[in-house]
Amino acid sequence: DAKTTQPPSMDCAEGRAANLPCNHSTISGNEYVYWYRQIHSQGPQYIIHGLKNNETNEMASLIITEDRKSSTLILPHATLRDTAVYYCIVYSGNTPLVFGKGTRLSVIA
Amino acid sequence: DTAVSQTPKYLVTQMGNDKSIKCEQNLGHDTMYWYKQDSKKFLKIMFSYNNKELIINETVPNRFSPKSPDKAHLNLHINSLELGDSAVYFCASSHTSAEQYFGPGTRLTVT
Repeated sequence: DAKTTQPPSMDCAEGRAANLPCNHSTISGNEYVYWYRQIHSQGPQYIIHGLKNNETNEMASLIITEDRKSSTLILPHATLRDTAVYYCIVYSGNTPLVFGKGTRLSVIA
Repeated sequence: DTAVSQTPKYLVTQMGNDKSIKCEQNLGHDTMYWYKQDSKKFLKIMFSYNNKELIINETVPNRFSPKSPDKAHLNLHINSLELGDSAVYFCASSHTSAEQYFGPGTRLTVT
C-alpha cells in the first residue's frame, strides 16, 4: 500500500504555479520522497526526488517540511502539457516503487 | 533514439492464447521492470530483473513469465490469457531503483 496521501484532483490556471501537496506522516529517516507523473496514455515520467532539503530541477521544485511529514511539488509556470496524474512516492531502496492513486492535475487555459 | 521501447503497442487476443510483449532499453541500465496498470489505473510492479536475474516477483500468476536474454531486453510471456489480464503493461529500466524510465506501454485486450 502507498504510504502517501494526495488530493484526488486539482485545477490550475495556465501560466500559474501548480502546488501539489503530499502527506507522508509515517516516513522513515532513510526514505526519500519521489515524484512521478503520468500524462494520459503514456508511461510514468520521473520528475524529482529529495530526502530532507528542498530540491529544484528543470521540471519542478520539491519542498519538504522540516519534520518530513509532508511535501509539495511545485510546477512554477504550468502549461496545458502539464495536465497529468502526479504520484508522490516514499522510497527506501529496499522495496519496489509503490504508486498510489495520485493527484489528477488539470491545467486550464 | 527511444530510451525504452515496447512492442506491440496494442494487442488484442482471445482467451486461452499465449502472447509475448517485448521490451528493449538503450540506456545501459542494469535493472528492468514490468508493471501492470489495470482499468482502475492502479500501477503495480510485477517483476524486476537485475543483470538478467530475477530480483522481484510480486504476487503474479505463474502464467506470466519474464525472460531476459540480455541486459537490454526484458520480455513478458503470458500463457493461457484470461479476461482479467486485460490491462496496460509498462516496461521500465533504471540505474538506481527509484529513478525509472518507462516505456510507452502495451494495451492488452483479451476477448
